[in-house]
Amino acid sequence: EDQVTQSPEALRLQEGESSSLNCSYTVSGLRGLFWYRQDPGKGPEFLFTLYSAGEEKEKERLKATLTKKESFLHITAPKPEDSATYLCAVQASGTYKYIFGTGTRLKVLA
Amino acid sequence: GAGVSQSPSNKVTEKGKDVELRCDPISGHTALYWYRQSLGQGLEFLIYFQGNSAPDKSGLPSDRFSAERTGGSVSTLTIQRTQQEDSAVYLCASTKTGSEKLFFGSGTQLSVL
Repeated sequence: EDQVTQSPEALRLQEGESSSLNCSYTVSGLRGLFWYRQDPGKGPEFLFTLYSAGEEKEKERLKATLTKKESFLHITAPKPEDSATYLCAVQASGTYKYIFGTGTRLKVLA
Repeated sequence: GAGVSQSPSNKVTEKGKDVELRCDPISGHTALYWYRQSLGQGLEFLIYFQGNSAPDKSGLPSDRFSAERTGGSVSTLTIQRTQQEDSAVYLCASTKTGSEKLFFGSGTQLSVL
């Protein structure tokens, strides 16, 4: 069964304190792995797509990496505005649905 | 429109009543998804539309749930005889053919009393 597990469930960082969020996945043929950011009361907002092991994508203070079993979202020198829930999702080959993890709630303190 | 629009944003209903949730996707987006998000849970897939057809409705939790899409655009998710466990945020997302980037609406918060 295709599955996505994210850790930690919640993370509190001081402003400037870098860290990483983990997304472990089990999928029968990976079509793509996706990271989304969700703010309270809003729908998820797309951040990155990764397709194959070794691939990396960057956007401002965020960097996503992918291995055959997991993905990391690295946050470098975070700011309070980075506070949000970060969701990981996978799409298996030959399917159209996205399987989401339960997310990591990030709080960055000033 | 500029983004995916969902209505109503909030819906409070009594157990046993029927509800309709509406999704207006981004113009030109052929694929449309419905997801459900409960507190502490991940996004739960409900149904996928390509145009007006639904090749994957495997996530609909029971026959009380149904969805349709007309004109390759607006979609309606209907929940009949609502139960308290149906309380959740219902999210709609759309994307264009060849893209895997989902654009989500802000959701409908459904509360069944």
